Amino acid sequence: DIQMTQSPASLSASLGETISIECRASEDIYSNLAWYQQKSGKSPQLLIYAANRLQDGVPSRFSGSGSGTQYSLKISGMQPEDEGDYFCLQGSKFPWTFGGGTKLELK
Amino acid sequence: EVQLQESGPGLVKPSQSLSLTCSVTGYSITSNYWGWIRKFPGNKMEWMGYISYSGSTSYNPSLKSRISITRDTSKNQFFLQLNSVTTEDTATYYCARGRSIAAEWGQGTLVTVSS
Repeated sequence: DIQMTQSPASLSASLGETISIECRASEDIYSNLAWYQQKSGKSPQLLIYAANRLQDGVPSRFSGSGSGTQYSLKISGMQPEDEGDYFCLQGSKFPWTFGGGTKLELK
Repeated sequence: EVQLQESGPGLVKPSQSLSLTCSVTGYSITSNYWGWIRKFPGNKMEWMGYISYSGSTSYNPSLKSRISITRDTSKNQFFLQLNSVTTEDTATYYCARGRSIAAEWGQGTLVTVSS
């Protein structure tokens, strides 16, 4: 299975701060990567797919980048509603596998 | 708008079978792919398997001998059965739409395996 290593495990950001979350794959996943946000008690929401494509309705402060084995999610200007858990998912080789998650809090 | 809702027992005894239903509204399950994903205590996640628009299935090899995903197109529902459960199968179970990129998810249902 492809291993997805996500960092950091937790992050505290100030209002308006720009933050990045990384996912590293154990092999090339050819940009078959999605990012999700999950708020407490809610279902995960798709933010980014194909590494850098913004899902409809997702604020433009969210962006994704990367290729090969290295990918990142950037939030340009932390907002209170951005608190939650974030995780990546590779869809290149079955079984699809997830990163370990990042807990993002507002400082 | 597509909506998914999981249902099923919240408590299952070890060695028994776990059975869950995902009811889908706003989208026909005879289109696209439909999967089951679980989130363990401690937040590790696992894609368990999926069923396609035609009814074909793919399962995570780690579960292959224990898992079955089926569907009832007349009710627009699909199902998860996991056999011979242990306490390590305690998790929140989600159904989702999509083959690899899960575009929409259900709310999730916590299943505890305990005697």
